[in-house]
Formats: sequence, structure tokens, C-alpha cells
Amino acid sequence: DAGVIQSPRHEVTEMGQEVTLRCKPISGHNSLFWYRQTMMRGLELLIYFNNNVPIDDSGMPEDRFSAKMPNASFSTLKIQPSEPRDSAVYFCASISRFGTYNEQFFGPGTRLTVL
Amino acid sequence: AQTVTQSQPEMSVQEAETVTLSCTYDTSESDYYLFWYKQPPSRQMILVIRQEAYKQQNATENRFSVNFQKAAKSFSLKISDSQLGDAAMYFCAYRSAEYSGAGSYQLTFGKGTKLSVIP
Repeated sequence: DAGVIQSPRHEVTEMGQEVTLRCKPISGHNSLFWYRQTMMRGLELLIYFNNNVPIDDSGMPEDRFSAKMPNASFSTLKIQPSEPRDSAVYFCASISRFGTYNEQFFGPGTRLTVL
Repeated sequence: AQTVTQSQPEMSVQEAETVTLSCTYDTSESDYYLFWYKQPPSRQMILVIRQEAYKQQNATENRFSVNFQKAAKSFSLKISDSQLGDAAMYFCAYRSAEYSGAGSYQLTFGKGTKLSVIP
């Protein structure tokens, strides 16, 4: 298996632009998580999905952020309009609800820079 | 809500020596999982070791072992025979084992400890 795939790996954009981050979870995993990592706040859970349904988006910082999971193999995190304070590394992780440990497998992350 | 605290922002260790990273957590639950993740400069989050709270025996994975003190809510990571490749950020994480619907699989992370390995 290729693991969790995220694209792009790096994104540089200007303030006010729309940014879309993409994630392909591991095949067969039915829960997906979006995290944001910054020096100040560490790793924060933004939103997670179970069986493509958003369960808890309380970590989404504001209305400029939105996430979708149209099917079991694809999710997007969109920021519109982007601001410099959104600069961070965004991780996607997936998990299978079956098995003993339910380990979260992380993607390589997308480093977002908003100028 | 659960919280995870890593009180050492940075640590260093001489190559081949042993180092211990600290982690404490706060929870009212009796059953849960604890994890240590490694994040090298490549940014990839890699699971190092896991511990089930109901197990008294400390988990070990090759050179990595934990000291799990449930009453003290402490979960430290010991790295023996440190290698240059161990240099990374290390994150302690908590997950409830009590099924409460979809939220059961959510991880709560500490702020991390940056480990440097000195040749």
C-alpha cells in the first residue's frame, strides 16, 4: 500500500487566494483526520470524518476553512481566503476502525506558506 | 478533556548513550492507549511505540521502551544506544479506548520534544 497520500507537498500562495489541500487515505480505512501543525500550537485536530461523514469540526479555526470527503478515497481541505496566519504544515491521517490498536497513519504533510 | 504534557521542549544525547523523554497526561478514563510518534526532518509522523493502559507490562520495541506509570499518569520514552537517525521531534499522544461513537479514535498530542543526537 502506498500509505496516506497528500498533495501538494508544498504550497506557496498570496494572501486572499484560495488554497485546496488534498488527501487520499489508505484503502479500506474508514476514518480520516485533518491536523494542522505550527510551532506555537503544536498538532491540532481540525476535523475528522467517519465513513465520509464529518463528525467533529470544532477544531476548524473559522469559516474560511472547509473540508469535504466526497468518497472513501478522497478528501479536501480548503482555505478561502487564505491569510498569513494559516501558514503551517497540514497533515492528513487515516485509520481503520477494525483491529486492536486503531493506529493512525499519517501522510507526509503539506507545508503551506501564505505571503 | 484529556491533556498531554511534554515538559522538555528540547533534549540532547550523546551517540550510543541512553535518553529518556517525559510525558504526563490527564484523564478521567480508565482505559486508553498511549503512543509515541517520531517526526524526523522529513516531517513524516512515524509511530514508535504504543501502550495499552490495561497492560501493566511496559511496551518495548527494539531500542525503544516506555515506563508507564498509570497512577502517576506518566508515560516516558527511553531510547537506548542512541543513533544519529534518532534525531527528531518526539510526540506523546493519548487516545481513549472507550467507544463513544466516532470520537473514539481521536488523538490528543503533546507539544513535542526535539531530540538532538551528538556524534
